[in-house]
Amino acid sequence: QSALTQPPSASGSPGQSVTISCTGTSSDVGSYNYVSWYQQHPGKAPKLMIFEVNKRPSGVPDRFSGSKSGNMASLTVSGLQAEDEADYYCSSYAGNNNLVFGGGTKLTVL
Amino acid sequence: QVQLVESGGGVVQSGRSLRLSCAASGFPFSSYAVHWVRQAPGKGLEWVAVISSDGSNKYYADSVKGRFTISRDNSKNTLYLQMNSLRTDDTAVYYCARDGYSYGPFYFDSWGQGTLVTVSS
Repeated sequence: QSALTQPPSASGSPGQSVTISCTGTSSDVGSYNYVSWYQQHPGKAPKLMIFEVNKRPSGVPDRFSGSKSGNMASLTVSGLQAEDEADYYCSSYAGNNNLVFGGGTKLTVL
Repeated sequence: QVQLVESGGGVVQSGRSLRLSCAASGFPFSSYAVHWVRQAPGKGLEWVAVISSDGSNKYYADSVKGRFTISRDNSKNTLYLQMNSLRTDDTAVYYCARDGYSYGPFYFDSWGQGTLVTVSS
């Protein structure tokens, strides 16, 4: 159950777009369309932002989008806003009834 | 609205046991798989275990297999996590989370606020 690989940090100015990568293997990200993304503000519970690679739960702004190519998934935040500053985690079904998370990316809005 | 409320956390000595509970409301509890996910202080998220909607299937992370047991009581809308042989590296905030499906693990569409478990040596 190796963790997915995310950059430890990312940043952008208000209004800009930022993309966070999530690299797995052919046993997890590359094999299943069960990649999801979570936003976590300090001291708070995580919140689902994207599920099944590119689906947005109701209430999540369309500034958040997800994609996948091969063993890498990505979360793009467009039109950055101050409230987007948070930690972001990806996860993927990894087969054999296992699920793995990425190590998390701290997004800073400059 | 969906609500998940964890309880049962606290300070426990290494080697001892603890049971966590998660009370669910606002949705048909018996229709969804539910998970435990933990987060060590200052660290990332780690999936711990999932139980299917009817309780017939249970799956665990390697790090807790054989020590932790997940269970549910659909008549009480409550999820449990029995933690035995606790180790200091089990210290974390434990979250209860709902899957989007009746079986899992796939993704977590609702989360509780978490309960802190501290294992002392």
